[in-house]
Amino acid sequence: GAVVSQHPSWVICKSGTSVKIECRSLDFQATTMFWYRQFPKQSLMLMATSNEGSKATYEQGVEKDKFLINHASLTLSTLTVTSAHPEDSSFYICSARILAGNQPQHFGDGTRLSIL
Amino acid sequence: EDQVTQSPEALRLQEGESSSLNCSYTVSGLRGLFWYRQDPGKGPEFLFTLYSAGEEKEKERLKATLTKKESFLHITAPKPEDSATYLCAVQSNYKLTFGKGTLLTVNP
Repeated sequence: GAVVSQHPSWVICKSGTSVKIECRSLDFQATTMFWYRQFPKQSLMLMATSNEGSKATYEQGVEKDKFLINHASLTLSTLTVTSAHPEDSSFYICSARILAGNQPQHFGDGTRLSIL
Repeated sequence: EDQVTQSPEALRLQEGESSSLNCSYTVSGLRGLFWYRQDPGKGPEFLFTLYSAGEEKEKERLKATLTKKESFLHITAPKPEDSATYLCAVQSNYKLTFGKGTLLTVNP
């Protein structure tokens, strides 16, 4: 149980392109989804918290106009990297939590984004 | 600000050689300490949640313990398939704060 699917797993695109990443909870309803970014040999850094039907909450230093998050249903959240540049290249990972409180987050397998 | 420090950064063991990974933390109101396993190019896989000092959890060759300042992940008689990065995270309020992880390599 508690499977989170993330798509695509790998994206290579030109600078200036916008890229959409999908995160789906397959066997449970996720009231809250999270988006992280991870650089090599670094810890996961939370970018934003997404609650179904409301605006995402962004962490300090994360540009909300750059990283658009939509959480339209209890099983789907999307992250759109707008006008991507090489410095946006990274490993993006989503997670979902079944209920509020102290339940563990379950993670997708990540999206490797490479901007040329 | 919550902080998580994991040690060692990397650990190399022979198959069957037991050892422990450390996670030291400072947090304003611990709501849970989580251990995850991450394989290369994959997302973290949930292992354990610990909520209060003195609590212990076990799963196969892994055992996690918790004190007020740190957590240990004990690995008993590891196998090569236990090779991965092990991540520790603490939760206060709504979000998780992760350590950088310990890269464990188990040689056959």
